Amino acid sequence: NAGVTQTPKFQVLKTGQSMTLQCAQDMNHNSMYWYRQDPGMGLRLIYYSASEGTTDKGEVPNGYNVSRLNKREFSLRLESAAPSQTSVYFCASSGDRGHTDTQYFGPGTRLTVL
Amino acid sequence: SQKIEQNSEALNIQEGKTATLTCNYTNYSPAYLQWYRQDPGRGPVFLLLIRENEKEKRKERLKVTFDTTLKQSLFHITASQPADSATYLCALGGNQGGKLIFGQGTELSVKP
Repeated sequence: NAGVTQTPKFQVLKTGQSMTLQCAQDMNHNSMYWYRQDPGMGLRLIYYSASEGTTDKGEVPNGYNVSRLNKREFSLRLESAAPSQTSVYFCASSGDRGHTDTQYFGPGTRLTVL
Repeated sequence: SQKIEQNSEALNIQEGKTATLTCNYTNYSPAYLQWYRQDPGRGPVFLLLIRENEKEKRKERLKVTFDTTLKQSLFHITASQPADSATYLCALGGNQGGKLIFGQGTELSVKP
């Protein structure tokens, strides 16, 4: 069991470039999440997917899009990167313990936008 | 709006002592509260969950209390060890599907 995997681990972009962050989980979880973590701000929810085929905005969705490709995979796309999107991005999944919603996190993607 | 606050300053304690971390919240009535541990460069890892109808939960050297009147949770690590050094995050949930609201975390440093 790999748990939650994310690619890439590190990325440097120039302003205006686009990229897609990939996330996959092998725990058969229904729900998946994308967060960003900035110093002093904690984890902020960007988008989430309660089940395959559904996605919803979180607290900070502007500048991002997501795709729930299938039950395993949930990708995050930056269409036109901005320096304000420099952050650490975490993907998480939940759903194996009834209604307790314990979340399992990936190792993160460290993104720098110049 | 909903707000969660954890000790913003790092907590430094001596090995063997009890570490106590605080999580306060406003404008929210969570069904449960979770605590996570995060090591540098890693994703958070789940530690404990306590429900709104529970006052206290224990797991090995960890103890969590939950006071819904004070809107506060305390997280204790007894007989602390240098390996306990990490950032600890509290998270509230239960009323928004599977979504959690995270605090900003408290950094704990245990000195030998």
